[in-house]
Amino acid sequence: SQQGEEDPQALSIQEGENATMNCSYKTSINNLQWYRQNSGRGLVHLILIRSNEREKHSGRLRVTLDTSKKSSSLLITASRAADTASYFCARSNTGKLIFGQGTTLQVKP
Amino acid sequence: DTAVSQTPKYLVTQMGNDKSIKCEQNLGHDTMYWYKQDSKKFLKIMFSYNNKELIINETVPNRFSPKSPDKAHLNLHINSLELGDSAVYFCASSLGLAGNEQFFGPGTRLTVL
Repeated sequence: SQQGEEDPQALSIQEGENATMNCSYKTSINNLQWYRQNSGRGLVHLILIRSNEREKHSGRLRVTLDTSKKSSSLLITASRAADTASYFCARSNTGKLIFGQGTTLQVKP
Repeated sequence: DTAVSQTPKYLVTQMGNDKSIKCEQNLGHDTMYWYKQDSKKFLKIMFSYNNKELIINETVPNRFSPKSPDKAHLNLHINSLELGDSAVYFCASSLGLAGNEQFFGPGTRLTVL
């Protein structure tokens, strides 16, 4: 399969805790992107990390990329109820984005 | 200001009908996409257009015909709708070909009865 694998498929945490989502892929990439999808809405771009980068930060988000292991992780620190959503990794290669199946995150107040 | 808009938001129709979904972006992007998201939230690219030219066609049945009248619009026409076409269809746009950040529309939920 060309799709990335995301782990876990579902995650439930308390507000204030950190949430970590992982993404693995099989082929080479130009970059890897993370998107958030709130229920019933479109996807929103969170962060893009290039294949020559190892770590990137944006606010409470931290993304790492290990090209030798073909994996990436998204860490959300100090989670809030508003972070409840599905999170997708998407790898960019051959002129298109290929999405993983997503991680559904529930943050309980 | 809506960056990427789609109409309609919901579409309920009978098998065998023909329907269209419209998409417009006001971001000045030159590349637009159609994605299909199934009931398990799996998101798969269907088509992409760059400057009104078809770039990607992901082995989508030819009942699906995209049309890009200009860089800001990418419409999707579906002939002879089937039950399996029921899904949420997302339009997206980006600057340049895939590899840059994509901006997604709110989606069109298509239900085929």
